[in-house]
Amino acid sequence: NAGVTQTPKFQVLKTGQSMTLQCAQDMNHEYMSWYRQDPGMGLRLIHYSVGAGITDQGEVPNGYNVSRSTTEDFPLRLLSAAPSQTSVYFCASRGLAYNEQFFGPGTRLTVL
Amino acid sequence: AQSVTQLDSQVPVFEEAPVELRCNYSSSVSVYLFWYVQYPNQGLQLLLKYLSGSTLVKGINGFEAEFNKSQTSFHLRKPSVHISDTAEYFCAVLGRGGSYIPTFGRGTSLIVHP
Repeated sequence: NAGVTQTPKFQVLKTGQSMTLQCAQDMNHEYMSWYRQDPGMGLRLIHYSVGAGITDQGEVPNGYNVSRSTTEDFPLRLLSAAPSQTSVYFCASRGLAYNEQFFGPGTRLTVL
Repeated sequence: AQSVTQLDSQVPVFEEAPVELRCNYSSSVSVYLFWYVQYPNQGLQLLLKYLSGSTLVKGINGFEAEFNKSQTSFHLRKPSVHISDTAEYFCAVLGRGGSYIPTFGRGTSLIVHP
């Protein structure tokens, strides 16, 4: 199993550009989530999904969209990038039979 | 709803000294508790977890944590740290029976000096 994979590893955007951060898991997990990590702020939940076709907002959803058309994939879309979205983004998944989350390696995003 | 407080944002310690990273939580329901570790420029990985049973939980790399229900705490300890333990440590709580996503603390940076 590859676990949770994220692409790209690094990305530089200009203000106003849009892009999609990819996340995939091969463990057939029901729950998937996106976090951003900023210095001193810990992990903040952006959006999450409890199954294909079902998503909900987390703590900091503004400026981000998600969809979950399959169990495996949970992409995060930045609609119009802003410098405040410069951060490290982590995707995670959890199965019904498990209590802990499995994390991807992260995407480091810089918005100029 | 649950919340987690990690009482120290940074803990400096010398190599081979003992260390304790503190975590307190609040919840209206019973919980599962976790500690995750994040090494520099990496994702998070599970260090240990408390689900039920013995309140003393042992994890990887010689770490252990003790669940104290009356004090709503889940402190992480290691009797002798190594340089390689330098990392960010996150405490997390998941409510039993219906919670989908755990709540994380803000993290504690453990810095081990030679």
